[in-house]
Amino acid sequence: AQSVSQHNHHVILSEAASLELGCNYSYGGTVNLFWYVQYPGQHLQLLLKYFSGDPLVKGIKGFEAEFIKSKFSFNLRKPSVQWSDTAEYFCAVNGAPDKLIFGTGTRLQVFP
Amino acid sequence: DGGITQSPKYLFRKEGQNVTLSCEQNLNHDAMYWYRQDPGQGLRLIYYSQIVNDFQKGDIAEGYSVSREKKESFPLTVTSAQKNPTAFYLCASSPNGRGGNQPQHFGDGTRLSIL
Repeated sequence: AQSVSQHNHHVILSEAASLELGCNYSYGGTVNLFWYVQYPGQHLQLLLKYFSGDPLVKGIKGFEAEFIKSKFSFNLRKPSVQWSDTAEYFCAVNGAPDKLIFGTGTRLQVFP
Repeated sequence: DGGITQSPKYLFRKEGQNVTLSCEQNLNHDAMYWYRQDPGQGLRLIYYSQIVNDFQKGDIAEGYSVSREKKESFPLTVTSAQKNPTAFYLCASSPNGRGGNQPQHFGDGTRLSIL
């Protein structure tokens, strides 16, 4: 069965610090990978996605993620976080058609 | 602007009652989904529908029911059989459910609480 693991449940950073959120998945076939973000009081929205091609994908607001097939990983990164990045971040994988499997989420708090 | 509208934003239910959560989309998407979000558990799929008049159970369908009589509407009923209904419910849609390479668009959610 497919599953998604997010290693960090709660991350606290100061502004300008670098960010890396871990995401590992278990699925042997071709996958589509996503990172979603949920800002306080707002709906879940797409941050970035990987379907094929260049394993380093860039998303909105300076975020990027790297797909490493050999490690079954899709970690999210940002070189310098801002207070406005405070949110909950979800990794998701779609291997089998029609179903998106989400990780448990990582709550990021950025202090000025 | 196109989007997904969930109503109500907050809903309270007495034990033993059924309640229905509304989800409407004007994105002309074929596929629609219902998720439940609990702290520390991420999003779990309740039901999904790829096309009108068709739907499938997700991972936690027990105690829930849905209908898909219109393309734009996918209401979720939380029945009295659902033993722990207090949660945040999210509705989503995507252009179509096949292939898996289309991002899902989410509504603002409905928070259901038991009185």
